[in-house]
Amino acid sequence: RKEVEQDPGPFNVPEGATVAFNCTYSNSASQSFFWYRQDCRKEPKLLMSVYSSGNEDGRFTAQLNRASQYISLLIRDSKLSDSATYLCVVNEGGKLIFGQGTELSVKP
Amino acid sequence: DAGITQSPRYKITETGRQVTLMCHQTWSHSYMFWYRQDLGHGLRLIYYSAAADITDKGEVPDGYVVSRSKTENFPLTLESATRSQTSVYFCASTPFSRGGETQYFGPGTRLLVL
Repeated sequence: RKEVEQDPGPFNVPEGATVAFNCTYSNSASQSFFWYRQDCRKEPKLLMSVYSSGNEDGRFTAQLNRASQYISLLIRDSKLSDSATYLCVVNEGGKLIFGQGTELSVKP
Repeated sequence: DAGITQSPRYKITETGRQVTLMCHQTWSHSYMFWYRQDLGHGLRLIYYSAAADITDKGEVPDGYVVSRSKTENFPLTLESATRSQTSVYFCASTPFSRGGETQYFGPGTRLLVL
């Protein structure tokens, strides 16, 4: 079983749509959680950290459910520029463990 | 404001050759990391370093060697390249005192081993 699991997609959505990605992690002792964005195999860049209380950054909302070991990312009002691969990342014992990513394609 | 750079950006080599990938950061971050990324896998940690002269293995260290004589440089050497080491390699660093916090990535090196 992979330590961090994501649906690879692709998710094909029209502009303006709301899309949600989910991620599960296997280690209940994981300490911190992130979503990174990666464009066309370029370097990953931090999108947002994920907190237990949930957090929002503009059109992006991240949620963490420690009991279910589940992380989510919601994107509202999708833009063409949101097309990318979204990586779920978990801190385990001081190292980051990456999911394989979920591909999003936003169409006009 | 160079940040974190990698060289070369693209490399083709042959099986059995030694290859060194360079990583340089201008931020004086303590922690540095090497990852490889392959289709069907997330980024996988090869080696990391908490400070100059301190390195440790990650998930997939076999066939790789690292050194960190200066804080700003963290070269990765493939001692005898194999086809299975064909991959995209990313270097990263973090300013945080613990390794498992937000990391900043270099642009990557695309390596093809023939």
